[in-house]
Amino acid sequence: NAGVTQTPKFQVLKTGQSMTLQCAQDMNHEYMSWYRQDPGMGLRLIHYSVGAGITDQGEVPNGYNVSRSTTEDFPLRLLSAAPSQTSVYFCASSYNRLNTEAFFGQGTRLTVV
Amino acid sequence: SQQGEEDPQALSIQEGENATMNCSYKTSINNLQWYRQNSGRGLVHLILIRSNEREKHSGRLRVTLDTSKKSSSLLITASRAADTASYFCATPKSSGDKLTFGTGTRLAVRP
Repeated sequence: NAGVTQTPKFQVLKTGQSMTLQCAQDMNHEYMSWYRQDPGMGLRLIHYSVGAGITDQGEVPNGYNVSRSTTEDFPLRLLSAAPSQTSVYFCASSYNRLNTEAFFGQGTRLTVV
Repeated sequence: SQQGEEDPQALSIQEGENATMNCSYKTSINNLQWYRQNSGRGLVHLILIRSNEREKHSGRLRVTLDTSKKSSSLLITASRAADTASYFCATPKSSGDKLTFGTGTRLAVRP
């Protein structure tokens, strides 16, 4: 059972480039979310999804897009990378919204130069 | 804004001692969750306590919840070097679907 898989693990982008961070889960979880983690800031919610076809914004959505065409996948797109988006990104999933534990991927460390 | 805030920000103890960290939150909750993060890794769920529970145990972990004070504590008994990690509380807002985290407590357990 793979759990939550994020790819890539590391990425360096130039300012203005776009890219997609992949997230997949094999637990048939309804709820998926993306966080970014910066030193001293804890985890901040970017976007989340309560099921296929449904997405919504979190605390810091600007500069990011998401879609949820299947239950398994929840990609995060950076439209035009900026140095302020240098961070560690985590994808998480849980069975039914937020009344059960969340499972996290191992993270993607993104550097924008 | 962040819902939960952990205290202290950092804690250093000797192996075998107990570690206590606290979490305060702002709005009403359905449950409160504690997670551990080892350096450079993803978060791992430790324990979930529901709003109608006051105390919960899991192995060497003991969590309490005081909804009147909007606070929770995590106690790790007989700490080990392997407990060295950051610990976060997380609260789903009862009005929505967002799970928000505090800034965490960094625990260092000295051998």
